[in-house]
Amino acid sequence: GNSVTQMEGPVTLSEEAFLTINCTYTATGYPSLFWYVQYPGEGLQLLLKATKADDKGSNKGFEATYRKETTSFHLEKGSVQVSDSAVYFCALSDTGGSYIPTFGRGTSLIVHP
Amino acid sequence: EAQVTQNPRYLITVTGKKLTVTCSQNMNHEYMSWYRQDPGLGLRQIYYSMNVEVTDKGDVPEGYKVSRKEKRNFPLILESPSPNQTSLYFCASRPAGGGLNQPQHFGDGTRLSIL
Repeated sequence: GNSVTQMEGPVTLSEEAFLTINCTYTATGYPSLFWYVQYPGEGLQLLLKATKADDKGSNKGFEATYRKETTSFHLEKGSVQVSDSAVYFCALSDTGGSYIPTFGRGTSLIVHP
Repeated sequence: EAQVTQNPRYLITVTGKKLTVTCSQNMNHEYMSWYRQDPGLGLRQIYYSMNVEVTDKGDVPEGYKVSRKEKRNFPLILESPSPNQTSLYFCASRPAGGGLNQPQHFGDGTRLSIL
């Protein structure tokens, strides 16, 4: 079956530090990959996505590249801000037929001033 | 404004007392789903619906019911709630067009406490 594995948090950084949150996946078909962000007290919002190998998704300074050879979709940002503090979820939708999207367990990011 | 609206946002109730959490979307999306979010477990899908009158079980359907009589609404029903259903619940929707490449739109969540 499909699965998504994220690094455990919390990840604690100082403002302007470089961020990497690792995400690896297993899938039976040809998945699309997503990063969602959940701010405190809110639902999940799409941050970025990539639908095929070597695609790079980007938004709000965050980037992630779909790496089929390493089955990874790591989230990066060059300089984090306090306002980036949130929980980040890696997810996949498998075009192999399953209608049940698979989410990772989420990684909490805390950015200190 | 495009949105998914859940009600109530918070509910404390007792074991065995039937409850319904409503979910409504104004984007004319075909696909709707319910998730629960628990610490250390991430999001787990409870039920999903591909369109009106079409529903199917997700990963953790036990103890829950859903219905999809109208395209915009997808209520989650707990006929006899138990304490292990204490959780944070999210409703989500997405359009059918574009298939599984389409991201989901989430509501703001409903925090249920079953005593």
